[in-house]
Amino acid sequence: AQSVAQPEDQVNVAEGNPLTVKCTYSVSGNPYLFWYVQYPNRGLQFLLKYITGDNLVKGSYGFEAEFNKSQTSFHLKKPSALVSDSALYFCAVELSGGGADGLTFGKGTHLIIQP
Amino acid sequence: GAVVSQHPSRVICKSGTSVKIECRSLDFQATTMFWYRQFPKQSLMLMATSNEGSKATYEQGVEKDKFLINHASLTLSTLTVTSAHPEDSSFYICSARGTGGLDTQYFGPGTRLTVL
Repeated sequence: AQSVAQPEDQVNVAEGNPLTVKCTYSVSGNPYLFWYVQYPNRGLQFLLKYITGDNLVKGSYGFEAEFNKSQTSFHLKKPSALVSDSALYFCAVELSGGGADGLTFGKGTHLIIQP
Repeated sequence: GAVVSQHPSRVICKSGTSVKIECRSLDFQATTMFWYRQFPKQSLMLMATSNEGSKATYEQGVEKDKFLINHASLTLSTLTVTSAHPEDSSFYICSARGTGGLDTQYFGPGTRLTVL
């Protein structure tokens, strides 16, 4: 069975500082990894994904994530946080195999950017 | 591109009634659509996988007779909550994946169901 862990319920960062939202995963096989962001009472917006290739993935709104196979991690990062980045962030994993599977989500991390 | 819509965005119904939620991919063809459920302050849980023209595949613990899924075309999947009860109140979110298998899942805005 595959699983995703987001160890932090909430991350607080001052505006302009770098931010990191942590994610580790457990899956047998090659993972497809995703980050999504959710605003209140809204669906999820895709940020970025890792399928294969370069371990550093760049996504929307200046976010990036680094796939680390040895540490089974896929932490989300941004060099300079904006107040508008405040939202709920989900890491998700899918077992590779042709796209027939749904995603397994972490519990989510609330990111709060303080002005 | 890659827009997914859901209708309605919010629905309130009486216990015992049935509610249909539509999920549409607006600018791409979705061979596979997924239905998730999200309880307040919790993560999304996959309910079922819907493939166009075939029966949906339900996750363990999800009652297929209660949550009827139909994927009649490459742009539309529907979820019908039959004989709804208060415990079915939740945020239902669909996602759609385009042809090709490796495409990203794009999510709809969700439907807030409240059963009185």
